[in-house]
Amino acid sequence: GAGVSQSPSNKVTEKGKDVELRCDPISGHTALYWYRQSLGQGLEFLIYFQGNSAPDKSGLPSDRFSAERTGGSVSTLTIQRTQQEDSAVYLCASDGGQETQYFGPGTRLLVL
Amino acid sequence: KNEVEQSPQNLTAQEGEFITINCSYSVGISALHWLQQHPGGGIVSLFMLSSGKKKHGRLIATINIQEKHSSLHITASHPRDSAVYICAVRYSGNTPLVFGKGTRLSVIA
Repeated sequence: GAGVSQSPSNKVTEKGKDVELRCDPISGHTALYWYRQSLGQGLEFLIYFQGNSAPDKSGLPSDRFSAERTGGSVSTLTIQRTQQEDSAVYLCASDGGQETQYFGPGTRLLVL
Repeated sequence: KNEVEQSPQNLTAQEGEFITINCSYSVGISALHWLQQHPGGGIVSLFMLSSGKKKHGRLIATINIQEKHSSLHITASHPRDSAVYICAVRYSGNTPLVFGKGTRLSVIA
């Protein structure tokens, strides 16, 4: 597709379960970012992949959060043992080195 | 601490009014972005600035590097401009964005 896609668009899970969120960046974009937007809050950075370099994980809020990017393309954000405070919209963005970031539609996660 | 401050937090305007949203940041940056987020949640990049001024339709963005300040202006505002406008900066290269908390704009017909 022409833009960044994310799946699922909505996810409801029970506290303690693991979830996986997927991001398909724009083809050819070397940089991929995960952000989180909690209800009523601003966007916060989670993790960043640039090419084959080691990812910048400095924004991950706990060791329950992890992400990988396979083949320099698709990325998966995994949250283990979900907690209610993990409820948020998880946004993925990519850029091709021109500094403009293109955002996906987000995954709305609700932890009950 | 690297912060991005936006003002106002909320803004209600009558259709046709000229609107200004402000953004200030604390340290040098490589680029500043203005983003628009509609109620459905999708985020669209409006402008990326490193100096000067850019215009697209009724939207104008300016940046003053020395004063570490940017403004987003909307001329002849319309109800469809209602959205959250977010200022974000990059400190260098292809690094993650640091976001302001956003300005919620409501334009009333």
